[in-house]
Parts: sequence; C-alpha cells; structure tokens
Amino acid sequence: DAGITQSPRHKVTETGTPVTLRCHQTENHRYMYWYRQDPGHGLRLIHYSYGVKDTDKGEVSDGYSVSRSKTEDFLLTLESATSSQTSVYFCAISERQGAAYGYTFGSGTRLTVV
Amino acid sequence: AQSVTQLGSHVSVSEGALVLLRCNYSSSVPPYLFWYVQYPNQGLQLLLKYTSAATLVKGINGFEAEFKKSETSFHLTKPSAHMSDAAEYFCAVNNAGNMLTFGGGTRLMVKP
Repeated sequence: DAGITQSPRHKVTETGTPVTLRCHQTENHRYMYWYRQDPGHGLRLIHYSYGVKDTDKGEVSDGYSVSRSKTEDFLLTLESATSSQTSVYFCAISERQGAAYGYTFGSGTRLTVV
Repeated sequence: AQSVTQLGSHVSVSEGALVLLRCNYSSSVPPYLFWYVQYPNQGLQLLLKYTSAATLVKGINGFEAEFKKSETSFHLTKPSAHMSDAAEYFCAVNNAGNMLTFGGGTRLMVKP
C-alpha cells in the first residue's frame, strides 16, 4: 500500500545480534501495530502504538521492543535475535481505535535469523 | 478473550466452483468480524467486514460472508472461483482491547 512502507523487505541476521525494522506511514494515522505471521498461527500482535511515545504490548511481545518518536515512524527492535524470531513481520495502521475501522497493512519484512 | 477458528488450513476448488471458507468466532459480546486476503509476497487487504448493520456482507471481487449468531460463524463464499482468487484468507475478530485477533488462515488453491 502506497501509504505505508516497511524496510527492509528482507533481512538475514545472526543469532544474538540486534535488529531494527522500520514502518513508515504517510497517512497521519494515530494507531500503528506490529504483527508477526507464522504458518498455522495467522498474525499475532507484538506491540502497538496509540500515539507518539505511547505504546503497549501485544500477545507475543517477549524479546521485542518498540519506539515511536514521530507520528509517521514505528520501529520494532529485536534486542538479541533468536531463531524463533524468524518470521514475516507486518506493520499496520488505523485511523481510529476500534476494529470497525479496519487496518491497512504494509507489504511485510521477511526476517531470517541464522 | 475473543478468538477465531478457521476450519481447514488448505482448501482446493476447481475454477468455476463454489468457494466456501469457514470461520467460527468466540465472543461474549457482539463482535466486529473481518475477512482479509493475502496474495503472495504482499500484505493483507480487507475483503469485507461485519459491523452489525446487515448479516449478509458483500465485499470486493465477488466475495460475501454471512454472520450467523446462532452458529457463531462468519463463513466466506464466492459462487464461482477464478484462478486469481488463489491466495491466503484470514478471518479476524475484534478483541476486548479493540485489537484484531486473527485466525490461522486458509490457503485457497484454484485448479484449472
């Protein structure tokens, strides 16, 4: 989607190294989310943000941290990558809270931890 | 907590045949329900959503879904499959924190 971009699109990293994934939006939406996608599990929420410097944990937040210093950027950091964090990571944005409004998703980042 | 179960991780149909992808939800309050589609190497796109206005919801690309409270279901259908419908489909429900909770996904394969 043109209003939300993720970088990098692909990354291979070694176990124990820190990794930061970036989500950038041009829609000025207040809410941003990080999900991971794994076979059989669908998408699981890692962290979300409801404003600049306002973030909270999702269901699978262990081993991850986030930051949001500007409305348009939401960063996901793996402090010390492990093989279990090999996954496809999706960022999503939402104009308002409440799932009635739906989310817009980025194209994803495929992360491989070796 | 609310949850979603998608029956069948893989569904295969012939081109022109009926598509039926099953979704059952668990919710203690009236839910908002969604179907998303994911094409290879892409993000998720919203197909349709139920927000209590009408039980039969029409979406893009000829898909529709019917909310059945008595069966706690929100199955996705399309009368005639097209090759371009091959993708992975996700059912989702809002949860107590107004976050989307996704099912495990169903990969639809369309045979010529």
